Amino acid sequence: GENVEQHPSTLSVQEGDSAVIKCTYSDSASNYFPWYKQELGKRPQLIIDIRSNVGEKKDQRIAVTLNKTAKHFSLHITETQPEDSAVYFCAASERYGGSQGNLIFGKGTKLSVKP
Amino acid sequence: DSGVTQTPKHLITATGQRVTLRCSPRSGDLSVYWYQQSLDQGLQFLIQYYNGEERAKGNILERFSAQQFPDLHSELNLSSLELGDSALYFCASSGDTLGTYGYTFGSGTRLTVV
Repeated sequence: GENVEQHPSTLSVQEGDSAVIKCTYSDSASNYFPWYKQELGKRPQLIIDIRSNVGEKKDQRIAVTLNKTAKHFSLHITETQPEDSAVYFCAASERYGGSQGNLIFGKGTKLSVKP
Repeated sequence: DSGVTQTPKHLITATGQRVTLRCSPRSGDLSVYWYQQSLDQGLQFLIQYYNGEERAKGNILERFSAQQFPDLHSELNLSSLELGDSALYFCASSGDTLGTYGYTFGSGTRLTVV
């Protein structure tokens, strides 16, 4: 099945700096890659996603890039703010029986933005 | 409110006991997924149901079972509980039949086994 590796596990940046989180996946058939943000004690919330027919997607200060050949994708947050502090999870869709299935998540990156 | 409802929000029980966690998906969503999140751990996929049928299984223990009912709500049953089962259990639902689009997560049930 699908396996997703995420790095780094913790990331500390100064307010205003950029943050980059990287993930790799194992199943070349996966074609959907969402990113979730989870604040302490709360549910994960989708912040951006990308499909395999697109190389890059941007939404205000957040962007995601996908390299299908290398099987890795990255989250970029620019002009970080203290409210960006949270745990970020990447995920990849798992395929079985010829159809897409559930999401397999990376282990998360704890981002701390210092004022 | 995400539209995915999980009950109860908190549950404290003793080792060896059995509990049932409940999830109501967003209106119209046919797929329900269960995930376990232990302290400082990621989201471990347990099981997926689609329109009442089991679709996929992850790292779900034999002591755990789930089902999805005709009204599409789902229940996760945890039996012979151990201290290590203490975790946050999330349910998510998806509107896409193949689960390729973003899930919506519920607020979770925090289970504490003492």
